[in-house]
Amino acid sequence: GAVVSQHPSWVICKSGTSVKIECRSLDFQATTMFWYRQFPKQSLMLMATSNEGSKATYEQGVEKDKFLINHASLTLSTLTVTSAHPEDSSFYICSGGRVHEQFFGPGTRLTVL
Amino acid sequence: AQSVTQLGSHVSVSEGALVLLRCNYSSSVPPYLFWYVQYPNQGLQLLLKYTTGATLVKGINGFEAEFKKSETSFHLTKPSAHMSDAAEYFCAGPPLNAGGTSYGKLTFGQGTILTVHP
Repeated sequence: GAVVSQHPSWVICKSGTSVKIECRSLDFQATTMFWYRQFPKQSLMLMATSNEGSKATYEQGVEKDKFLINHASLTLSTLTVTSAHPEDSSFYICSGGRVHEQFFGPGTRLTVL
Repeated sequence: AQSVTQLGSHVSVSEGALVLLRCNYSSSVPPYLFWYVQYPNQGLQLLLKYTTGATLVKGINGFEAEFKKSETSFHLTKPSAHMSDAAEYFCAGPPLNAGGTSYGKLTFGQGTILTVHP
């Protein structure tokens, strides 16, 4: 299957700082990618749809000014958590692919102190 | 309302025993469904998917699932559990408001943690 990478795999930051997470499609072009968040012992929840060359679409309840998404190329989407707080600590996973087959990145563990 | 619902947050089986993980979907969901497996601190790996055609779908690692429209179910099974099957399993499908193709957007069930004991 196709490969999606994420960087970094884990990050620890102080409260109030911003953190950028990269999601790359390594062997396919992704006009659309998705960002999910997974809290401990919970399922994945879709945060937003990242669209190459246009604005992201956010799910209800997700603050677009806090979670900035940029999809500047067909192989890279970035999620920036601005002014992170401890409640933003979570596992962030991206995906890309086709309608009937999404490929998931390995995830990024964010811990905000 | 959920698009997909998994029954049982934890399932425990003996090595060699049948594995049955349950998933039901909303009848308004477009008929394509997935099962993913997640190992601790890792992303998701696709086990199998149903889109169209044969309702009995075979996946990797000996898993299979049957799409039953009459029961709105897509249960995951494996005849004989291995210790390496211990992981969390997610059933997924398009959101209820997906409309057309939804471009790959997925909603996930609550997850089922499978424990395999010797």
